Amino acid sequence: NAGVTQTPKFQVLKTGQSMTLQCAQDMNHNSMYWYRQDPGMGLRLIYYSASEGTTDKGEVPNGYNVSRLNKREFSLRLESAAPSQTSVYFCASRRGTSGSHGELFFGEGSRLTVL
Amino acid sequence: SQKIEQNSEALNIQEGKTATLTCNYTNYSPAYLQWYRQDPGRGPVFLLLIRENEKEKRKERLKVTFDTTLKQSLFHITASQPADSATYLCALDGNDRGSTLGRLYFGRGTQLTVWP
Repeated sequence: NAGVTQTPKFQVLKTGQSMTLQCAQDMNHNSMYWYRQDPGMGLRLIYYSASEGTTDKGEVPNGYNVSRLNKREFSLRLESAAPSQTSVYFCASRRGTSGSHGELFFGEGSRLTVL
Repeated sequence: SQKIEQNSEALNIQEGKTATLTCNYTNYSPAYLQWYRQDPGRGPVFLLLIRENEKEKRKERLKVTFDTTLKQSLFHITASQPADSATYLCALDGNDRGSTLGRLYFGRGTQLTVWP
């Protein structure tokens, strides 16, 4: 099992460009998450999907959109990238849905630089 | 709004000693708390989960306590080794008990260095 796979691993964008970060999990998990991690700020929740067909905002959703394409895939889109979106992005998944106490499984991260 | 604080950004200890990391929270009533380990350039990896009705949880050299009155969790690594050097993150479920949303919020982490 690959677990949680993120692509691309590295990306450099110019301000105003758009791009999509892809995430796929092969563990048949119901919930999926996107976090960003910045020095001194820890992991901050951008968007999450409690189950296929639902998405909801986290702490820092501005400037991002998401799509839960199917149970396996959850993509994060930057429509018009800004330097403030330079960060490391982590996708994660969890087996349960409502009231789930389960652990998160993380991908290896996507390192995005916006010039 | 909810706030999660981990005691310090960095903790340095000698091999063989016990490392104790602290996670405090405010404006929260989490049903459970989790601890993760993160190595440089890697994604976090789950270590332990403790529920609000559990005082203590152990796994090998790891021990977690959860005091809902103090709003604090302590994470202990006994007989620490240089291989334990990493950043440790605490995480709490969001303030939506009983809902279907399942958010999980993280502290900023404590970087532990164990020197020989």
